[in-house]
Amino acid sequence: GAVVSQHPSWVICKSGTSVKIECRSLDFQATTMFWYRQFPKQSLMLMATSNEGSKATYEQGVEKDKFLINHASLTLSTLTVTSAHPEDSSFYICSARDPRVTGELFFGEGSRLTVL
Amino acid sequence: DQQVKQNSPSLSVQEGRISILNCDYTNSMFDYFLWYKKYPAEGPTFLISISSIKDKNEDGRFTVFLNKSAKHLSLHIVPSQPGDSAVYFCAATSVGNQFYFGTGTSLTVIP
Repeated sequence: GAVVSQHPSWVICKSGTSVKIECRSLDFQATTMFWYRQFPKQSLMLMATSNEGSKATYEQGVEKDKFLINHASLTLSTLTVTSAHPEDSSFYICSARDPRVTGELFFGEGSRLTVL
Repeated sequence: DQQVKQNSPSLSVQEGRISILNCDYTNSMFDYFLWYKKYPAEGPTFLISISSIKDKNEDGRFTVFLNKSAKHLSLHIVPSQPGDSAVYFCAATSVGNQFYFGTGTSLTVIP
């Protein structure tokens, strides 16, 4: 099946620094990628929809200046958590639809962010 | 407003028995439903799906049932194996729209 890869899988940073998470579709081109956040024992919360070559669409309540999304190519989307704070510590997951496979969403491995 | 709900946060089943995970949704426009399996510190992996034109889809040990009138779907795993222990998310979507996920059910299969 289609493969979506995230990097890094685990990152620890100091409060106030910025962290970049990459999401790549390895064997298909994804014009749209999705970024989710998962809190402990909670569902996957859609943060934003990343569109290749244009601005991301953010869900209500998600700060676009804090969570910068860039989708510069058909295989790469990046999420940058700017001026990270401990409350930003979470599990971030990207996903993409493989246009060759109807309906299904493929997920990356996820990135665990811990802000000290 | 939670459009997809999984009311059982956890489930324990003996190895070899059937596991039944339930999911309810509120939006009648949803026409495609999926189940994802997730291990700790990993991204979800696709398990099985069903279109609204069907009421059952089977793949090996996994069967998904859809009851559109009740807006309910369920995932049956039989026989359950210890390796099935994970968190299971159901998701619903309609063409061109985002996916809505339930809160997940943690399944523990006891050897």
